[in-house]
Amino acid sequence: AQTVTQSQPEMSVQEAETVTLSCTYDTSESDYYLFWYKQPPSRQMILVIRQEAYKQQNATENRFSVNFQKAAKSFSLKISDSQLGDAAMYFCAYSEGYNFNKFYFGSGTKLNVKP
Amino acid sequence: NAGVTQTPKFQVLKTGQSMTLQCAQDMNHNSMYWYRQDPGMGLRLIYYSASEGTTDKGEVPNGYNVSRLNKREFSLRLESAAPSQTSVYFCASSPGQGNYEQYFGPGTRLTVT
Repeated sequence: AQTVTQSQPEMSVQEAETVTLSCTYDTSESDYYLFWYKQPPSRQMILVIRQEAYKQQNATENRFSVNFQKAAKSFSLKISDSQLGDAAMYFCAYSEGYNFNKFYFGSGTKLNVKP
Repeated sequence: NAGVTQTPKFQVLKTGQSMTLQCAQDMNHNSMYWYRQDPGMGLRLIYYSASEGTTDKGEVPNGYNVSRLNKREFSLRLESAAPSQTSVYFCASSPGQGNYEQYFGPGTRLTVT
């Protein structure tokens, strides 16, 4: 089975500051997708951003961007201008190249945003 | 559009009882999934259905069965519940055919005593 590792169980950031969440993954595939999902206290899983492995350009969605390092198998999420509503659990996920239906999730990072 | 809906939201079972978790999506998605989320862990795939009429095992299928009733509905059955199956269960769907972004339901919190 593939493994996705999030080494930071919990992080804190001051409102309006920038924070980076780390994720590493293990795979022998060259074609795959990577995702960051947000889970607020409501439990609803919300897609934040996705990255296709074949794309060299890092994905960006408004205040959210990734640093995708394919050789290092690293996929970090940067949140700029942090807002109180960003407080949540963040999960990194990997989806296989030969079977995109199989998703593997990391254990999550709890992000606290301080006013 | 309701997106992905799950019933029930909460359930308490005794060991050995059976139950079915229901999931439906109204986005005309091809693929559907069942996950479980245990405390301190990410989601783990139980079963998935890549298209209507097909189902496949995920990472943790033991103790569960699934049925893809039609394109909209995908149910998860626990035949004989065990305390180890206490968890939050999420259903998800994705368009498939090159677009594998998953859309999640609100989850079902299941406790087995």
